[in-house]
Amino acid sequence: KAGVTQTPRYLIKTRGQQVTLSCSPISGHRSVSWYQQTPGQGLQFLFEYFSETQRNKGNFPGRFSGRQFSNSRSEMNVSTLELGDSALYLCASSPRTDHTDTQYFGPGTRLTVL
Amino acid sequence: AQKITQTQPGMFVQEKEAVTLDCTYDTSDQSYGLFWYKQPSSGEMIFLIYQGSYDEQNATEGRYSLNFQKARKSANLVISASQLGDSAMYFCAMREGRGYSTLTFGKGTMLLVSP
Repeated sequence: KAGVTQTPRYLIKTRGQQVTLSCSPISGHRSVSWYQQTPGQGLQFLFEYFSETQRNKGNFPGRFSGRQFSNSRSEMNVSTLELGDSALYLCASSPRTDHTDTQYFGPGTRLTVL
Repeated sequence: AQKITQTQPGMFVQEKEAVTLDCTYDTSDQSYGLFWYKQPSSGEMIFLIYQGSYDEQNATEGRYSLNFQKARKSANLVISASQLGDSAMYFCAMREGRGYSTLTFGKGTMLLVSP
């Protein structure tokens, strides 16, 4: 099976712009989660989608949003970018949202905000 | 309170030696899953091993084993016969059993394997 894919891999934006990141889960996986990783804050949960519905949301401002499509592909959007949004954004997929389900991660999108 | 604690910011080990990376967790749930991931400098998180709270035996996957001590709430990762390619950041994570809980990560341990 193909793994989780994320596009783009690298992105450079300026403050105030918006950005959309894409994630394609492993075939058959219906749950997609997004994480932000920075040197200062570590790995922080953004949100999780299952069957096109947001099931859980982390403590991030409303500038961060996401959605999931009927084919389980997911996108996340960050509007009005700030310097602090520079981070590695990781997407992970799993078959369901059960605590026994392993989340498999994509290679990440490295976002730099100038 | 932190749900996952990794007390070792960095660890050094020589090639072919075994190393133990510590992880303690905090939960009041009876059902939960514990995971270890490896993150090389490339950034991708690689799943290594899983332990369920009801599993009576310690999980093993090749050179990786998980030393699960439920009463002490610890889930240490043991890497046997370290290789140079094991140099990476290692994260312990937990997902609790109630509802739509999230995967919570520790701050990680940087492992450096020397020749």
